[in-house]
Amino acid sequence: QQQVKQSPQSLIVQKGGISIINCAYENTAFDYFPWYQQFPGKGPALLIAIRPDVSEKKEGRFTISFNKSAKQFSLHIMDSQPGDSATYFCAARVNKFYFGSGTKLNVKP
Amino acid sequence: DAGITQSPRHKVTETGTPVTLRCHQTENHRYMYWYRQDPGHGLRLIHYSYGVKDTDKGEVSDGYSVSRSKTEDFLLTLESATSSQTSVYFCAISLGQGLSGANVLTFGAGSRLTVL
Repeated sequence: QQQVKQSPQSLIVQKGGISIINCAYENTAFDYFPWYQQFPGKGPALLIAIRPDVSEKKEGRFTISFNKSAKQFSLHIMDSQPGDSATYFCAARVNKFYFGSGTKLNVKP
Repeated sequence: DAGITQSPRHKVTETGTPVTLRCHQTENHRYMYWYRQDPGHGLRLIHYSYGVKDTDKGEVSDGYSVSRSKTEDFLLTLESATSSQTSVYFCAISLGQGLSGANVLTFGAGSRLTVL
């Protein structure tokens, strides 16, 4: 049983467009929600994170939107660039981290 | 990758052979983790350690054992490798697990294991 469900599995966006990746969870004990970015041949790296007492967090072109009542959170990448092409993982933590299945983003020039 | 070294980076082995993957950190972080990454499953926790000689199971621990005799080293052993253990294995470290700024997971570059 996957603790964090992530969609879509893959995403193609034109340069300059908005990329949106969604995650949903059931466990209300989760207290920290990070997003990780992974380039081919590399390990995942922390991109941005949010706590459940905040509805939105923005860092540059990356924004997390958090809906506590719906138990959903999403990553928005504004003005998507080819360099953003990577696999993105959402995660949720209660003592340990549980990861979504990943979204492969391809930003076309 | 931030003071984490995984070895070997690539390994091909045969079913039934023992395999040990090593994770070495120079950050002096207390917590160390082993994850496996498979298409459609994301990252799944195998085992983790919260100190020297202190380890616990994760979501997918069957068929794996770990040891941590020094703060800097965390070993993952497959006693008798099976084809279902073909995967990319990532080591990760963190300072702590509580509600503090020290809850970031930092990952190594991964070890790709193929079991024939």
